[in-house]
Amino acid sequence: DAKTTQPTSMDCAEGRAANLPCNHSTISGNEYVYWYRQIHSQGPQYIIHGLKNNETNEMASLIITEDRKSSTLILPHATLRDTAVYYCIVRGGTASKLTFGTGTRLQVTL
Amino acid sequence: DTGVSQNPRHKITKRGQNVTFRCDPISEHNRLYWYRQTLGQGPEFLTYFQNEAQLEKSRLLSDRFSAERPKGSFSTLEIQRTEQGDSAMYLCASSLVSGTPNSPLHFGNGTRLTVT
Repeated sequence: DAKTTQPTSMDCAEGRAANLPCNHSTISGNEYVYWYRQIHSQGPQYIIHGLKNNETNEMASLIITEDRKSSTLILPHATLRDTAVYYCIVRGGTASKLTFGTGTRLQVTL
Repeated sequence: DTGVSQNPRHKITKRGQNVTFRCDPISEHNRLYWYRQTLGQGPEFLTYFQNEAQLEKSRLLSDRFSAERPKGSFSTLEIQRTEQGDSAMYLCASSLVSGTPNSPLHFGNGTRLTVT
């Protein structure tokens, strides 16, 4: 599975959009981009995933560049409860497991 | 609650003792995964099952670790002769793999093991 690069940490004001970037320049054609988050003392929570089209659900939007070498997770109106570590993961089309990096620690502040 | 359930939530044991953790996946999910997570790191893959068959094991899964999923439903992870380095959060996840590729994994809240 391709490696991903994320900033170590980010801050966001409550009520503003949080834009979390991820680079995956070695991604292959059949690999998906997944996002998970982990709130302290809980297991990782699935947010969203996509292949090449932008995706949106009730939690977030995923924007994937046309060359698929990077993506951005957007939380449209961040709240204090969105404070967590966010993991961007590239997963092969037929792969089973997820391979986690160290993620981005998002701190939402008042 | 229909999510992944793990028991116990916390376990403290003395070095050299054996411990066993249980995971109940989401009903009808045919894949079950075990991960380990230490402080400040992302979860690390240990092993996974499809139904009752153990299909992949990480080199992190030493001989002291054994996982089972006897009837393709719940799973147990046993650690024999625990060492202080085994202290970690042990996470279980499940997914439903059918015709669609790339089904998300859904995680439980883990079992935190402390070896003294």
